[in-house]
Amino acid sequence: NAGVTQTPKFQVLKTGQSMTLQCAQDMNHEYMSWYRQDPGMGLRLIHYSVGAGITDQGEVPNGYNVSRSTTEDFPLRLLSAAPSQTSVYFCASSYGLGETQYFGPGTRLLVL
Amino acid sequence: AQSVAQPEDQVNVAEGNPLTVKCTYSVSGNPYLFWYVQYPNRGLQFLLKYITGDNLVKGSYGFEAEFNKSQTSFHLKKPSALVSDSALYFCAVRDAGKSTFGDGTTLTVKP
Repeated sequence: NAGVTQTPKFQVLKTGQSMTLQCAQDMNHEYMSWYRQDPGMGLRLIHYSVGAGITDQGEVPNGYNVSRSTTEDFPLRLLSAAPSQTSVYFCASSYGLGETQYFGPGTRLLVL
Repeated sequence: AQSVAQPEDQVNVAEGNPLTVKCTYSVSGNPYLFWYVQYPNRGLQFLLKYITGDNLVKGSYGFEAEFNKSQTSFHLKKPSALVSDSALYFCAVRDAGKSTFGDGTTLTVKP
């Protein structure tokens, strides 16, 4: 199993550009989440999904969209990038509500 | 709303000494509690989780955590620290599919 994979590993954007961060898992997990990690602030939940076709907002959803058309994929879209979105983004998945989350390696995003 | 607090930004211990990384939480209902570890430029890795009824939880790499319901704490412990334990540690609480993480504690183990 590849586990949770994320692409790209690193991306530089200009303010106002849009892009999609990809996340995929091959463990047949129902639950998937996107987090951003900023220095000294831990991980903050952006959006999450409890199954295909079902998504919900987390703590910091503004400026981001998600969709979940399949169990495996959970892409994160930045609509119009801003310097405040410079961060490291992690995708995670888990089998069930109280189960362990498995994290991807992260995408480092720099918005100029 | 659920919340997690890790009161120490940094914990320093000497190799071979016991270590404790503190975590307190607030959640309605029964908590799902976790500890994760992050090494530089890596994603988070699972260490252990709280299962209802077990006040002492054993996890990976010799770590364990002590659950205290009255103090709403879930402190991470290890009897004898290793230099290789140096990393960033996160406590997390999970409820209804949403996870909340503490701000993290940097553990440094010196030879």
